[in-house]
Amino acid sequence: AQSVTQLGSHVSVSEGALVLLRCNYSSSVPPYLFWYVQYPNQGLQLLLKYTSAATLVKGINGFEAEFKKSETSFHLTKPSAHMSDAAEYFCAVRSTYGQNFVFGPGTRLSVLP
Amino acid sequence: NAGVTQTPKFQVLKTGQSMTLQCAQDMNHNSMYWYRQDPGMGLRLIYYSASEGTTDKGEVPNGYNVSRLNKREFSLRLESAAPSQTSVYFCASSALGFVGVNTEAFFGQGTRLTVV
Repeated sequence: AQSVTQLGSHVSVSEGALVLLRCNYSSSVPPYLFWYVQYPNQGLQLLLKYTSAATLVKGINGFEAEFKKSETSFHLTKPSAHMSDAAEYFCAVRSTYGQNFVFGPGTRLSVLP
Repeated sequence: NAGVTQTPKFQVLKTGQSMTLQCAQDMNHNSMYWYRQDPGMGLRLIYYSASEGTTDKGEVPNGYNVSRLNKREFSLRLESAAPSQTSVYFCASSALGFVGVNTEAFFGQGTRLTVV
């Protein structure tokens, strides 16, 4: 069975600071990995996805994530936070042979002026 | 370019009432999903449909039923609503149809349901 953990339910950073949101997964087979963002009262929007073509994945809005198989991690980073990045972020996993997406509990990002 | 459309957006039910949440996608996707979102718990899968004519239980199916009406539509029914079903419900779809294809899930805007 797959599972996802996200360290830190709430992360606060100053505007212009590095954003680091952590995601660790467990999967018995090679996984597909995703980061989604949710703005208040909206649905989830894909930020980026790991396709196994490259371990460093670039997404929208300047975000990127690095797949580390040895650490079973897929942490999300952005070099410089912007006020508009304030949202909830979800990491998700799907196994190679699975039909379902399993989501982590989410991390709420606050950006302080 | 609507994507995934959910109706209604908001609903208040009394305990014991029934209702159906509607979901339609216009992306010709094979797979459709219903999730519920509760604070601190992320999204939990209620039911999914890997293809037209098939449905399967997810992590939290109790108290719910689903119908895959056709390839476009996937409805979620609460037969006798309970306060524990107060949540935000999301429908999603994906082009998943066979092993090995890496495609993401596309989400609707959600239905905020309150059961009093």
